[in-house]
Amino acid sequence: GAGVSQSPRYKVAKRGQDVALRCDPISGHVSLFWYQQALGQGPEFLTYFQNEAQLDKSGLPSDRFFAERPEGSVSTLKIQRTQQEDSAVYLCASSLVPGQFYEQYFGPGTRLTVT
Amino acid sequence: EDQVTQSPEALRLQEGESSSLNCSYTVSGLRGLFWYRQDPGKGPEFLFTLYSAGEEKEKERLKATLTKKESFLHITAPKPEDSATYLCAVHATDSWGKLQFGAGTQVVVTP
Repeated sequence: GAGVSQSPRYKVAKRGQDVALRCDPISGHVSLFWYQQALGQGPEFLTYFQNEAQLDKSGLPSDRFFAERPEGSVSTLKIQRTQQEDSAVYLCASSLVPGQFYEQYFGPGTRLTVT
Repeated sequence: EDQVTQSPEALRLQEGESSSLNCSYTVSGLRGLFWYRQDPGKGPEFLFTLYSAGEEKEKERLKATLTKKESFLHITAPKPEDSATYLCAVHATDSWGKLQFGAGTQVVVTP
């Protein structure tokens, strides 16, 4: 079946611009995660949704970062007033159910370059 | 503070030359340890989940093992298509499910 999809795959933004990154999780997956991956590093957690509820946003680096999942399916990560340090790959992952044991399936990521 | 450390950072192998990757972790309570494979320009691809010390899982040429402090990913008789970055991650009991990743081990297998 279809996996997690993300769009756009690549985004170039000028410093100070706002960007919106989209994630379409696997159909029926309750949990959705956003991660940020810098070059040569492992993914770093940003935020977690269970259906439409944002249960953990402890990883968002500043108040310029905002995420939503209004209908419990598609999610959008928005970055306001982008800075050069925001340049990274933004990964979305989904899993079937919350709970003790589950696997997260990742999308291909959006590579954001801030110039 | 939870911590995940992978070693070595990079590994170059000849085809058929078996080796092991290490993932050391410090976590308040472990719900699961995950291994992922990541190819350049792609998202991580799920390989294994291990839940308790002593557990082992296998998939083709890969075998993952878990102790109370570390996990190993053994690659037996690797082929060039096993070239990738291998990521280890932990899910702690005091989190909703976020994974804490190590920096990864970049594996290159030459013919």
